[in-house]
Amino acid sequence: EVQLVESGGAVVQPGGSLRLSCVASGFTFEDYTMHWVRQAPGKGLEWVSLITLDGGSTFYADSVRGRFTISRDNNKNSLYLEMNSLRAEDTALYYCAKDLETTVTTGLSDWGQGTLVTVSS
Amino acid sequence: EIVLTQSPATLSLSPGERATLSCRASQSVSSYLAWYQQKRGQAPRLLIYDASKRATGIAARFSGSGSGTDFTLTISSLEPDDSAVYYCQQRSNWPPYSFGQGTKLEIK
Repeated sequence: EVQLVESGGAVVQPGGSLRLSCVASGFTFEDYTMHWVRQAPGKGLEWVSLITLDGGSTFYADSVRGRFTISRDNNKNSLYLEMNSLRAEDTALYYCAKDLETTVTTGLSDWGQGTLVTVSS
Repeated sequence: EIVLTQSPATLSLSPGERATLSCRASQSVSSYLAWYQQKRGQAPRLLIYDASKRATGIAARFSGSGSGTDFTLTISSLEPDDSAVYYCQQRSNWPPYSFGQGTKLEIK
């Protein structure tokens, strides 16, 4: 059974930093592109970032590019999101998600339960 | 950036009825569209990918159709458990892998 468990969410002041983690199990982690998706309270889904199998390529939404950094450690079956210069609009539940297929992103087949980031003074 | 517009915003139907949810793209996404279901307090669940392929374990009541800019998610016979918000997502032109704003389906 695929499991994705996020952690690291917290209350942080504007301008602050935070590092989210996602530990994966139940599948061969290094074979899949991984994503972060967020959801502001009462709002819809927003794709944030992805990282390819070996971490060689990363992509970001315009809203976070230059402030967030995605990374992975395939030896630890872990995905990370380093978040800097946080803003109130970054307040959201952050989900870690796995691609359905190994070769291309066709859909996000498995999701964690999310970790809550609140940016507030 | 491709913008996905879902309609209606809210849909209220009775058990056994047929639900039709729409997703329109601002430019062609070919067949590169997925649908997700999100129940209250839960993570999203992949229902359909590549416009019409059902994900593993998804009931045959759920079907997807369309290509280019216009897509439809159909739930053929509603059950009370289908109450949720449904999102479409495109993978044609990325980043970003944009989502629609969602359709809330209420079962009376």
